[in-house]
Amino acid sequence: DAKTTQPPSMDCAEGRAANLPCNHSTISGNEYVYWYRQIHSQGPQYIIHGLKNNETNEMASLIITEDRKSSTLILPHATLRDTAVYYCIVRATGNQFYFGTGTSLTVIP
Amino acid sequence: NAGVTQTPKFRVLKTGQSMTLLCAQDMNHEYMYWYRQDPGMGLRLIHYSVGEGTTAKGEVPDGYNVSRLKKQNFLLGLESAAPSQTSVYFCASSTGQRKNGGELFFGEGSRLTVL
Repeated sequence: DAKTTQPPSMDCAEGRAANLPCNHSTISGNEYVYWYRQIHSQGPQYIIHGLKNNETNEMASLIITEDRKSSTLILPHATLRDTAVYYCIVRATGNQFYFGTGTSLTVIP
Repeated sequence: NAGVTQTPKFRVLKTGQSMTLLCAQDMNHEYMYWYRQDPGMGLRLIHYSVGEGTTAKGEVPDGYNVSRLKKQNFLLGLESAAPSQTSVYFCASSTGQRKNGGELFFGEGSRLTVL
């Protein structure tokens, strides 16, 4: 099962784009990349997922490199409410989701 | 539509006591999962189920048992609680689909303290 590597923490100015990187160099061809976030001690919240192509929804954009070994989650206009821990996950072939330690994003006023 | 509901939300146990956490989902999802989260750490998969009557081990299954007798319910049991099992427990469910979503839906968590 592919593992992911994320920086432990990042800061972003309010109103600016937050770009959160993730490395998943051992990903297999049919494994999807998912992003979740966790605010305080609440249950994680789904953000977006993708396989090969870039994806966009109302919350964020997901950019996956052509070799699929890394991806970037983009929050286009970060707000204080986006302060959270962000998890990048490669969904295993057996439909397990293994979380790492994530990136703690702090949006600064 | 309640989504994923966990009970109880808080519990304090003494070492050696047993208890069961209940997870219920009303989305007709095939897959259900139990995770634990310790302070400052990410979620670790304890057990999961790919359908009614099935269970499988995750990353940290020791000390826990699970059952999925009904599709909508996934129970996590601690037969003899230990202080190391003090944690926040999250249940999640999923359709199991790949291309069209298949994302996890989480409950609000159950905070367990073992003294």
